[in-house]
Amino acid sequence: DAKTTQPTSMDCAEGRAANLPCNHSTISGNEYVYWYRQIHSQGPQYIIHGLKNNETNEMASLIITEDRKSSTLILPHATLRDTAVYYCIVRATTDSWGKLQFGAGTQVVVTP
Amino acid sequence: ETGVTQTPRHLVMGMTNKKSLKCEQHLGHNAMYWYKQSAKKPLELMFVYNFKEQTENNSVPSRFSPECPNSSHLFLHLHTLQPEDSALYLCASSQEGGRADGEQFFGPGTRLTVL
Repeated sequence: DAKTTQPTSMDCAEGRAANLPCNHSTISGNEYVYWYRQIHSQGPQYIIHGLKNNETNEMASLIITEDRKSSTLILPHATLRDTAVYYCIVRATTDSWGKLQFGAGTQVVVTP
Repeated sequence: ETGVTQTPRHLVMGMTNKKSLKCEQHLGHNAMYWYKQSAKKPLELMFVYNFKEQTENNSVPSRFSPECPNSSHLFLHLHTLQPEDSALYLCASSQEGGRADGEQFFGPGTRLTVL
């Protein structure tokens, strides 16, 4: 039973911002939202995570709605190297030893 | 460079062979994981180790046998595999119990083909 739903795919123009949506309508109060990405034939890479507040790091920004039922990952200036599958994952802080449940993710293709 | 290395990167084996996959993390983490990624399918968590103790086994067939001799090394021993076991096998590590919970660092994976 998937805890998150994401679009199957989306395209983005190079240099533009990429906004990746994720629905997690059944999220609990103690569950964080995590984003990972996986470039073809490589291992997944952690991007960012958050609980309630918006978060920003050198890779991306995470915007979480006030009711926490959805979030958006923003890649501010997409490059061709950002082409990857992006995974939105919810995980409880009480989950023991880092269990992450990956879904199908969103295939993002950045075009010139 | 993620700090997690895996060898070999590619492996082709017959159904009667015995082989091992190796993972090493250089990050001082206390948890390590094996994942399987079959074609067109999401990553599946196979095993979780914390402080060398196995804490999770997601109904993985006994032909896959993990070993964690210390907190930096993780092995996956393979024997009498089936062609459907062909997949990308990924190792990951993390430091659990702190603010970075959930931030896992993945290796590049071993692409396994079973003939």
